[in-house]
Amino acid sequence: GAGVSQSPRYKVAKRGQDVALRCDPISGHVSLFWYQQALGQGPEFLTYFQNEAQLDKSGLPSDRFFAERPEGSVSTLKIQRTQQEDSAVYLCASRQGVNSPLHFGNGTRLTVT
Amino acid sequence: AQSVTQLDSHVSVSEGTPVLLRCNYSSSYSPSLFWYVQHPNKGLQLLLKYTSAATLVKGINGFEAEFKKSETSFHLTKPSAHMSDAAEYFCVAFSGNTGKLIFGQGTTLQVKP
Repeated sequence: GAGVSQSPRYKVAKRGQDVALRCDPISGHVSLFWYQQALGQGPEFLTYFQNEAQLDKSGLPSDRFFAERPEGSVSTLKIQRTQQEDSAVYLCASRQGVNSPLHFGNGTRLTVT
Repeated sequence: AQSVTQLDSHVSVSEGTPVLLRCNYSSSYSPSLFWYVQHPNKGLQLLLKYTSAATLVKGINGFEAEFKKSETSFHLTKPSAHMSDAAEYFCVAFSGNTGKLIFGQGTTLQVKP
């Protein structure tokens, strides 16, 4: 596609519910990143994939957060038993190679009530 | 560890006057540095990047940034602000191992008519 696509654009979840956020990277982009952006803050790194391999998940805040990219293309970020502190914009980004710029999607705004 | 500090959380200028957004980085080696812009409800857009080829980097929309190793700075400038420049600006460092980006806290640029 023309850019990184994320869905849904907005998600409201009740505390305790599970959510799944989808990212469609730019076709052919090897690397995929997930970031969490709290209100008024800069994006914080969550996890990184190279093709289907998750090479860095050091930024995932707890074991309730899980990300996958089974075929090296689309990725899903899953949050189990959502808490209010999970409310944030979740950004996905992809790039073609290590020295290429990151292209960001518009994000999914998650609100946990 | 790599880190990025944006010295101003909020900058206000009048249309037609110069813009200066300040950024300092902390790195044990010569970093790759970027400036991204985020308009409300939009994705992050790359303005410019420094990768050691030249210390003065020109970006889109008339922005430029100068890498000063002696000052560990990478300030963003524009000679004449336009109303459409009002947005959130992020100074970003590239962390070499996985290539993940480390974001500063952001600077909100307000442009007054």
